[in-house]
Amino acid sequence: DMKVTQMPRYLIKRMGENVLLECGQDMSHETMYWYRQDPGLGLQLIYISYDVDSNSEGDIPKGYRVSRKKREHFSLILDSAKTNQTSVYFCASSGDISNERLFFGHGTKLSVL
Amino acid sequence: AQSVTQPDARVTVSEGASLQLRCKYSYSGTPYLFWYVQYQRQGLQLLLKYYSGDPVVQGVNGFEAEFSKSDSSFHLRKASVHWSDSAVYFCAASMYYAQGLTFGLGTRVSVFP
Repeated sequence: DMKVTQMPRYLIKRMGENVLLECGQDMSHETMYWYRQDPGLGLQLIYISYDVDSNSEGDIPKGYRVSRKKREHFSLILDSAKTNQTSVYFCASSGDISNERLFFGHGTKLSVL
Repeated sequence: AQSVTQPDARVTVSEGASLQLRCKYSYSGTPYLFWYVQYQRQGLQLLLKYYSGDPVVQGVNGFEAEFSKSDSSFHLRKASVHWSDSAVYFCAASMYYAQGLTFGLGTRVSVFP
């Protein structure tokens, strides 16, 4: 079953708290992504991971870091969350070079108060 | 700068009518092109993709898209929409493999009975 799973689905945090968003995939994909989706801005790429411990900044990495210690797991970390990081976060993965198709999770709606 | 533009934020159509969603890209070359659909409170799902060859590509659920190099466009269409096609549709592009997709802002489609 080809699936990208994100946990949690909803999260409320206070400003200054640390946030951990988790993502898993069962397709053994090498490449994984974190995006955020905001009204009027569409989806913006935060980080890309090409494999374990091989990560690259996307278009808006400031305020975020990532961790990939196993191929099937990719975490997004917000150290000291800010109110402007309130958003819906999507994790995605993609397969081999012949198939540039992204599989998306259902998203995590994060509210930072 | 590379960009994807969807000029229509919202489109309303009657069930059974045809649908066309516009997408223009700005790249120094021909990128990989995609259309994704996002149903309410879900992740994005791939409708179709274009890499090369026949400029008309077929996707799922009766959708097709036409690539035009001269116009830098990749418009999506469907001959007869169903109420279940109500969703947000995203056009996306990537110049290189595993660099992440650049998304347009999306077009929200509402299908009325």
